[in-house]
Amino acid sequence: AQRVTQPEKLLSVFKGAPVELKCNYSYSGSPELFWYVQYSRQRLQLLLRHISRESIKGFTADLNKGETSFHLKKPFAQEEDSAMYYCALRGSRLTFGEGTQLTVNP
Amino acid sequence: GAGVSQSPRYKVAKRGQDVALRCDPISGHVSLFWYQQALGQGPEFLTYFQNEAQLDKSGLPSDRFFAERPEGSVSTLKIQRTQQEDSAVYLCASSLARYWGQAGELFFGEGSRLTVL
Repeated sequence: AQRVTQPEKLLSVFKGAPVELKCNYSYSGSPELFWYVQYSRQRLQLLLRHISRESIKGFTADLNKGETSFHLKKPFAQEEDSAMYYCALRGSRLTFGEGTQLTVNP
Repeated sequence: GAGVSQSPRYKVAKRGQDVALRCDPISGHVSLFWYQQALGQGPEFLTYFQNEAQLDKSGLPSDRFFAERPEGSVSTLKIQRTQQEDSAVYLCASSLARYWGQAGELFFGEGSRLTVL
């Protein structure tokens, strides 16, 4: 079985503060992890994937197989980062976590 | 269109009615997925098509749910005898990847919000 856990449903930070959205997974095989984002009144879209090791909009995420985690981080949050963030695991299917609603306050 | 298109955007059904939700994937996308998203939850996998072949329907919650993609393009998700627990947003996504194992980026539609009274 594969499972994705995002322990925080809501996360609120101030503009310019660091932000970390937590994601833990369970999967017996070699995982591929993704972060998807949904801005207000927009459709769900890919933010980044661990394979490409890229930084998108200042966000990074490192796969830690020992801790089975794939936390999303940004050193200085911006108001436009306010959105719903979903961690996803591709095993036999693409499985999503329950999501974290990030609010960046001015 | 440039993106995945779903219709209707909103559907209200009385309990027991049948509904049909349509998905137009991005042209040329081989893989198509349906997800169900209940309020406050993440998307839950329902089914997967590779062209017209339904390769995985293990996520369909009951035999009242049926999906098809007869010509390998447009897909329809049908729910028979709707129940209140079927109320959710139904998301369709497509991918250029020919095989599920390569389907890294999914392109999602805006969803069809079903409310069953």
